Amino acid sequence: DTAVSQTPKYLVTQMGNDKSIKCEQNLGHDTMYWYKQDSKKFLKIMFSYNNKELIINETVPNRFSPKSPDKAHLNLHINSLELGDSAVYFCASSQEWDRGLFFGPGTRLTVL
Amino acid sequence: DAKTTQPPSMDCAEGRAANLPCNHSTISGNEYVYWYRQIHSQGPQYIIHGLKNNETNEMASLIITEDRKSSTLILPHATLRDTAVYYCIVRGTGANSKLTFGKGITLSVRP
Repeated sequence: DTAVSQTPKYLVTQMGNDKSIKCEQNLGHDTMYWYKQDSKKFLKIMFSYNNKELIINETVPNRFSPKSPDKAHLNLHINSLELGDSAVYFCASSQEWDRGLFFGPGTRLTVL
Repeated sequence: DAKTTQPPSMDCAEGRAANLPCNHSTISGNEYVYWYRQIHSQGPQYIIHGLKNNETNEMASLIITEDRKSSTLILPHATLRDTAVYYCIVRGTGANSKLTFGKGITLSVRP
């Protein structure tokens, strides 16, 4: 059973398009996150939601909009995709802030 | 959040203990030390965390110095599958505290 799942695994699209990445966790965790890993392999936090409420919002272009329909889901919608958005996006969840984060397998986004 | 310093890489022989060092000399009293690893092309994996006491779980042991300015992650019997990038992270308290990843240390386990 997959704890944190993401769809799709790979996403190839043209500049200017709008796309979404979905994330679901079946761990019953209260907090979910989005991280971005660029070509240099740096992992950076983008957003964090706790019980559907946004609690961390890093300096991310407003083309990126997270949406949490319920505690088990945190989707990432990206408008007007740019070349620099190409990266691997990881979703994660945790039960409490001081517990370990469980990461999903990642979504590799390629913008052409 | 305090920063950490790790060597860029190290290797060890399969079956031997791997001791991964981390310096966090500016850590605050209420900040935790976390260790994660990322095996190639996979999502990061939580290993262990601690505040000031040494911790052990089924994956590893975490040794934190008394002054808390450094720590060591110990993989007691490294296997080839332990080859990965290991991240030492210092994290503050509260729901809005961030888990900030640095460059990590690349551990290569050789046969």
